[in-house]
Amino acid sequence: AQSVTQLDSQVPVFEEAPVELRCNYSSSVSVYLFWYVQYPNQGLQLLLKYLSGSTLVKGINGFEAEFNKSQTSFHLRKPSVHISDTAEYFCAVSTTSGTYKYIFGTGTRLKVLA
Amino acid sequence: GAVVSQHPSRVICKSGTSVKIECRSLDFQATTMFWYRQFPKQSLMLMATSNEGSKATYEQGVEKDKFLINHASLTLSTLTVTSAHPEDSSFYICSARRQGSTEAFFGQGTRLTVV
Repeated sequence: AQSVTQLDSQVPVFEEAPVELRCNYSSSVSVYLFWYVQYPNQGLQLLLKYLSGSTLVKGINGFEAEFNKSQTSFHLRKPSVHISDTAEYFCAVSTTSGTYKYIFGTGTRLKVLA
Repeated sequence: GAVVSQHPSRVICKSGTSVKIECRSLDFQATTMFWYRQFPKQSLMLMATSNEGSKATYEQGVEKDKFLINHASLTLSTLTVTSAHPEDSSFYICSARRQGSTEAFFGQGTRLTVV
């Protein structure tokens, strides 16, 4: 079975400051890793994904994440945040075969302060 | 990118009635669709996985008779909440995956309020 841990439920950060949202996972098999953003009362938008290859993955809106297999982590970073980045961020894993069902972390609320 | 459309986006129904939520893949054939439930300020909990033409596989603790899932075609899956009660009020999200794809695409979600 797979599990995802997002230790920070809320992260406040000032505008134009860097931010890191942490994600750790547990799995006995290979997984794919994803970061999604959710705005209020909306569905999920994919920020980036790691399937294979380079461990540094770049996504939309200036976000990037690094896959670290030894630490089973997939932390999300952005060098300079904007007010519009205020949202809920979810880390997710899926199996690499079978149904590919997603298991989500509990989410991190990023609040960008002016 | 692939588009998944969910309808309705919001629905209010009376306690004891049933409500149907549709999930459509607009520009691809979805061999697998997933239904999630999200409580306020919480994560998405997988309810069930459905493959076109076969019965849905429900996660532990999800009542099959209460949450009826139908995946009759490669572009449409429906979730019917039967005999709805206020505790069924929640945000329901579907996602769809095409065969051979590693990625699932998510609908916009449906806010269900049972009064």
